[in-house]
Amino acid sequence: EAGVVQSPRYKIIEKKQPVAFWCNPISGHNTLYWYLQNLGQGPELLIRYENEEAVDDSQLPKDRFSAERLKGVDSTLKIQPAELGDSAVYLCASSSGLAGAEDTQYFGPGTRLTVL
Amino acid sequence: GENVEQHPSTLSVQEGDSAVIKCTYSDSASNYFPWYKQELGKRPQLIIDIRSNVGEKKDQRIAVTLNKTAKHFSLHITETQPEDSAVYFCAASIGSNYQLIWGAGTKLIIKP
Repeated sequence: EAGVVQSPRYKIIEKKQPVAFWCNPISGHNTLYWYLQNLGQGPELLIRYENEEAVDDSQLPKDRFSAERLKGVDSTLKIQPAELGDSAVYLCASSSGLAGAEDTQYFGPGTRLTVL
Repeated sequence: GENVEQHPSTLSVQEGDSAVIKCTYSDSASNYFPWYKQELGKRPQLIIDIRSNVGEKKDQRIAVTLNKTAKHFSLHITETQPEDSAVYFCAASIGSNYQLIWGAGTKLIIKP
């Protein structure tokens, strides 16, 4: 069974440019998470989806970040415009959705974003 | 807000010795506590978890203990090996929401 897939793996852009990250969760997983991970720190939740509904986006900086999961499967996270402080690894994770917070979260390899 | 504190930030142990990483949490309603391992440049992966109705859980060389009264839980790795070198993250569920709060991580270094 394929794991969580993310692309691109690396992205280098100049500040003020837009950028988008894509995530394909494990087949059958209803819950999808986007995390931000700064160097030397733990993952910080940006947004959580249950199927196509964003059920927790309280930590998403909505002035520049947006996300969608239109058909309840793949998801895209966008930043427009990017700022220097957005440089980080963006992790996508998925879980079955059967046990709430007790679900095992399976992570993708992440996208390392560098903003110059 | 709710938080999880993790100590130490870096732990260096001799190969074959034991390693212990400790976490404390603030939400008394937390009832699920996973531990993830993240090797350099790779994704976090679940290694063990514990629920609040259990005080200890063991899986081969890895064990986790939970003290709900004191609101802390610990990861124990015995007979450490070079492949145990990684960053370890603890997390705790938030009682009022279906999400995890993560610790800042512990970099475990196994010295040969």
